[in-house]
This record gives sequence, structure tokens and C-alpha cells, in this order.
Amino acid sequence: LAKTTQPISMDSYEGQEVNITCSHNNIATNDYITWYQQFPSQGPRFIIQGYKTKVTNEVASLFIPADRKSSTLSLPRVSLSDTAVYYCLVGEDGGATNKLIFGTGTLLAVQP
Amino acid sequence: EAQVTQNPRYLITVTGKKLTVTCSQNMNHEYMSWYRQDPGLGLRQIYYSMNVEVTDKGDVPEGYKVSRKEKRNFPLILESPSPNQTSLYFCASTSRREGPDTQYFGPGTRLTVL
Repeated sequence: LAKTTQPISMDSYEGQEVNITCSHNNIATNDYITWYQQFPSQGPRFIIQGYKTKVTNEVASLFIPADRKSSTLSLPRVSLSDTAVYYCLVGEDGGATNKLIFGTGTLLAVQP
Repeated sequence: EAQVTQNPRYLITVTGKKLTVTCSQNMNHEYMSWYRQDPGLGLRQIYYSMNVEVTDKGDVPEGYKVSRKEKRNFPLILESPSPNQTSLYFCASTSRREGPDTQYFGPGTRLTVL
């Protein structure tokens, strides 16, 4: 299982773009990169997933360089409600075994 | 509405008193899992199930049991709870058609064992 490393915490202000980088040096060929968001006392919520290059949805963008050893979650124009813990995950066999490894995540604090 | 439900949401019990936390999903997902979340340790998988009657241990299975008799339900059983099982528990489900690693989580069950 590929281990991920991401910053413990980040601070930002409303309206700014936030980029959270995750390193996964031992990512396997079949692994996808997935990001989850978790608010206090709630279950994690899927945000975005990618395999290579760039993925964008209505919530965020995910940038993955060619070597796939890292990835960057980009949140455009954050608001106070984006304050949460963000987890970067790298799946085993693309998630086929339903086994997810969550690290401790990055606590993003958005201030007015 | 597509969802994963857990009951109870909060539970305070005493050491050794058997308890069951129920989990149910209405999305016809074949995969279901249980996680516990503790401060500083993140989310850790307890058990998972690939389909009816198919279960396997996750990273921290000691002290827990599960069963998968129906596709929609995946109860977590603590036969003899101990204080170190005080935690926040999440049930999750997914399907191959959802894409890899895209799990839907329940609202959580906060368990306190005295």
C-alpha cells in the first residue's frame, strides 16, 4: 500500500485559492489518487479522484505530474465552510479490495 | 435519497455489555466497511465486506465482529466492549460502478465505554 504524506495543517483566508500537496512516492501502476473532505463529527466525503494529469469537477481540481509521485488538490476561492480536514488516499489495486488507508489528513482553517 | 445510515448515533455503555451498531445502505452497493476514528490516529479500517457472506479483517479487527447476511446491512458487534473501544465509528459502502476508492460514509456513531 502506498503511503501518503501531506501537511498537518494549513491556513487561508476567504476568497483565496488553496493548494494542498500530497506525496506518494511508492504509488503503484494501478493506483488511483483520491481526496476526501471531513467536517467535525461527520463522515468523510469524496471530493475528487484522478489517475494522471488534471481532473476538475464542480468542487476542486486535482493536478498529478507525470511521475505520479505527488498530487495537488486545488480549492478555488475558499469560504469559511471549506474549513475541514482533507485526506489524500492512494488505493490498493484501484480500490478493488475496498481497502482504504487514511492518514491524519490536512486541517485547513479558513479565516474571514 | 442515496445514503448510509447508522444507529445509534450516540451510545454510552459499560465494560462487557454486548452491543451492536447497525449500518444500512440503500444504494445496492456490494462493498461495505467499518472504520474507527481516534484523535491523532486518523481513520482505521476494522472490517470490510466484498459481498453477502464475504467479510475480511481490516487493520484493527480485534474485539469486533461483523456479519453480512443481507446486501444492504452490515452490523458491527462488540461482544465484550472495553474502554479502549471508545471511539467514533463510521460505516461506508461503495460499488465497482462508483469507481475505485469512492466510498460513501455514514454519519458516524460515537461510542463511549465506561
